[in-house]
Amino acid sequence: EAGVAQSPRYKIIEKRQSVAFWCNPISGHATLYWYQQILGQGPKLLIQFQNNGVVDDSQLPKDRFSAERLKGVDSTLKIQPAKLEDSAVYLCASSASGVSGLYGYTFGSGTRLTVV
Amino acid sequence: QKEVEQDPGPLSVPEGAIVSLNCTYSNSAFQYFMWYRQYSRKGPELLMYTYSSGNKEDGRFTAQVDKSSKYISLFIRDSQPSDSATYLCAMSSLNFNKFYFGSGTKLNVKP
Repeated sequence: EAGVAQSPRYKIIEKRQSVAFWCNPISGHATLYWYQQILGQGPKLLIQFQNNGVVDDSQLPKDRFSAERLKGVDSTLKIQPAKLEDSAVYLCASSASGVSGLYGYTFGSGTRLTVV
Repeated sequence: QKEVEQDPGPLSVPEGAIVSLNCTYSNSAFQYFMWYRQYSRKGPELLMYTYSSGNKEDGRFTAQVDKSSKYISLFIRDSQPSDSATYLCAMSSLNFNKFYFGSGTKLNVKP
């Protein structure tokens, strides 16, 4: 079974520039998550999709971050304009529903963003 | 107060040692307690989970939950250099629609 695919692996941009990350979840997983992991911290949920609908985006800085999951499969996360404090690893995860999906709750390797 | 607190370490132990990793939490609604392992430049991977209180064993790993103290632990017996990683605790309520992660403890097992 292929894992969660993310690209790019690394990105360096200047502040005020825009950037986009892409995620392809495990086939059949209805739920997709974007997390932000700042160095030395645990992952923080930014947004959760169920199919192509948003379940939770309470911690997404909506003035600069946006995400979409068209057709309920791939997803993109965009930052515009980027700030220095956005430097972090952006992790995508996907899961089947409920407790049975726990062992199927799989993270990608992440995109490491550096804003200079 | 953070929902989940975890000592960031780093923790350095010799090969073969018993390792104890811990988290405390404040939300009594948490029912599922997970431990993830994260190698450098990789995403977290689930090691094991426990529902409600009690112990769970899986090979060299034992997870314990004490809901009365709001305290969870992960024990690693006969630690190996390959166990060197960051260990994250995570918690969820019964509806299971949101995980709360600790900040992670970095473990180094020296050969």
